[in-house]
Amino acid sequence: GQSLEQPSEVTAVEGAIVQINCTYQTSGFYGLSWYQQHDGGAPTFLSYNALDGLEETGRFSSFLSRSDSYGYLLLQELQMKDSASYFCAVPTGFQKLVFGTGTRLLVSP
Amino acid sequence: KAGVTQTPRYLIKTRGQQVTLSCSPISGHRSVSWYQQTPGQGLQFLFEYFSETQRNKGNFPGRFSGRQFSNSRSEMNVSTLELGDSALYLCASSPGTPKETQYFGPGTRLLVL
Repeated sequence: GQSLEQPSEVTAVEGAIVQINCTYQTSGFYGLSWYQQHDGGAPTFLSYNALDGLEETGRFSSFLSRSDSYGYLLLQELQMKDSASYFCAVPTGFQKLVFGTGTRLLVSP
Repeated sequence: KAGVTQTPRYLIKTRGQQVTLSCSPISGHRSVSWYQQTPGQGLQFLFEYFSETQRNKGNFPGRFSGRQFSNSRSEMNVSTLELGDSALYLCASSPGTPKETQYFGPGTRLLVL
């Protein structure tokens, strides 16, 4: 089976940097995705790492280490609107995503 | 392009009833996946359809079923509703090749009383 573990909650202040970790146990690993979901909203795609290393997209970066079965999402220059839940996910063939447990990020002024 | 749309957005049913939810994917996308989201179990994959064929199925009872039409629109049906079926049901569309980004709709929030 597959499992992805994340911290349940992370808090930070505006302007800070925060890292959300994801450790996984999967078979047939293709890569690691990250999704953001605001309360009452739909998950929206943030990034995808197929290879080891860092991928940067604006204020968000994502890192993958396949040898450590570990990845993280890095959010810089935090804004209040970044308060949301963040999910790591792995595709397991034919559009099936297995999601992590989710991390609720609370950004305070 | 218009995003993924789901109808209805909210639904209240009673135990034992059945429900049908609808999903219209992004134009040109041929794959539609369905997920159930609950506070206790998180986001769980239900099934995926591509060109009217179910290609993948999650670990849900047979009360959960779906189908896809020739225009790629998809419906999912839950029969004999149970209290535990109360959840946010999300559909996601993608062009259909493996590992592609999935685009989620706003979801249908189902409450079973």
